[in-house]
Amino acid sequence: QKEVEQNSGPLSVPEGAIASLNCTYSDRVSQSFFWYRQYSGKSPELIMSIYSNGDKEDGRFTAQLNKASQYVSLLIRDSQPSDSATYLCAVRRSGGYNKLIFGAGTRLAVHP
Amino acid sequence: EAQVTQNPRYLITVTGKKLTVTCSQNMNHEYMSWYRQDPGLGLRQIYYSMNVEVTDKGDVPEGYKVSRKEKRNFPLILESPSPNQTSLYFCASSPPTGTGYSGELFFGEGSRLTVL
Repeated sequence: QKEVEQNSGPLSVPEGAIASLNCTYSDRVSQSFFWYRQYSGKSPELIMSIYSNGDKEDGRFTAQLNKASQYVSLLIRDSQPSDSATYLCAVRRSGGYNKLIFGAGTRLAVHP
Repeated sequence: EAQVTQNPRYLITVTGKKLTVTCSQNMNHEYMSWYRQDPGLGLRQIYYSMNVEVTDKGDVPEGYKVSRKEKRNFPLILESPSPNQTSLYFCASSPPTGTGYSGELFFGEGSRLTVL
């Protein structure tokens, strides 16, 4: 079992719809969770971080964390073609263990 | 402009020919790390450094070396490259927090390496 798992996609949604990206992780002691966006041929860029159970909203993006279910998700409202990219989920363990584990990413395609 | 700079961006080399990929950041970050990205496998950590002269192995360190003699620089060295090291490499840095580093990574533009 991979430490961080994501559906590879592609996830195809129409413009204006809500895109829902999901991520599960195996290590219960994980404390910090991140979503990175990576356009084709570019480097990843951080778009959301979440540390506590519940929802965190930033513009059209909402990150949701459920530590009991070991599940983190990213919702993109009013999806735009410019949101088409690969979204990487990353999980950091707590304490002095300085490792950030990445999922393989979900490719999102928003079509007009 | 705050940035992480990698060089070279593209490189084709042959098996066994030593090469170095440089990485430099201008954000005064203590934490730096190298990742490789392969299709279907995502980003995997090669080495990381918490500060000058402090380095440690990540998940896939075999065949790589690093050094951290200055805070801003963190070069990746392939002493004897092999075809299985053909990959896209990213250097990243992160600002510190009270518990080490934040996990919020700033990535360089990537270096695409092909080993024939």
